[in-house]
Amino acid sequence: ETGVTQSPTHLIKTRGQQVTLRCSSQSGHNTVSWYQQALGQGPQFIFQYYREEENGRGNFPPRFSGLQFPNYSSELNVNALELDDSALYLCATVDWTEPYGYTFGSGTRLTVV
Amino acid sequence: DAKTTQPNSMESNEEEPVHLPCNHSTISGTDYIHWYRQLPSQGPEYVIHGLTSNVNNRMASLAIAEDRKSSTLILHRATLRDAAVYYCILAYAGNMLTFGGGTRLMVKP
Repeated sequence: ETGVTQSPTHLIKTRGQQVTLRCSSQSGHNTVSWYQQALGQGPQFIFQYYREEENGRGNFPPRFSGLQFPNYSSELNVNALELDDSALYLCATVDWTEPYGYTFGSGTRLTVV
Repeated sequence: DAKTTQPNSMESNEEEPVHLPCNHSTISGTDYIHWYRQLPSQGPEYVIHGLTSNVNNRMASLAIAEDRKSSTLILHRATLRDAAVYYCILAYAGNMLTFGGGTRLMVKP
């Protein structure tokens, strides 16, 4: 148990649909990052939120969007789902003090059919 | 972002030391060297990080070359639970992590 909780754990959606994934943390850290991990590959950075504002984004289209709430929980929204969006989606909180660690949740496995 | 190069896979025997290498010849002066590992069906887990000096913690040791162009993660006694994908990542403190393919460590009983 890492203290970062993601829901749901598994999800099946149809191409063209929209999906919302959720992330919460017990730590109170004000920075949250989202990563996409395709099967057999390393995680790829989607975006990062700091105090409810997006402050970094990877090479993902605008149909990937997010929110961070005052309690620092977060959502990842994906519109117009494509088959290639099938992946494990990971949320991580960032501790800006030593040891600058990222704490990841166990992820949400999204399958698009 | 500076890149790292790791072997795709390595094998070890249980209870023997494991040395996982990482090359990062384009490392900048502000880059920390981070190691994360990912066990099956879990998110990545922080292992250790360092800047210039060798580092030890309860999980592992990190040996950093004097020129910082390479580093080695050392697991002193591998257990079956250490079987995972190990990622070597360069990042400024707290900045986003750029994962490569990592090294898949297999531990044999």
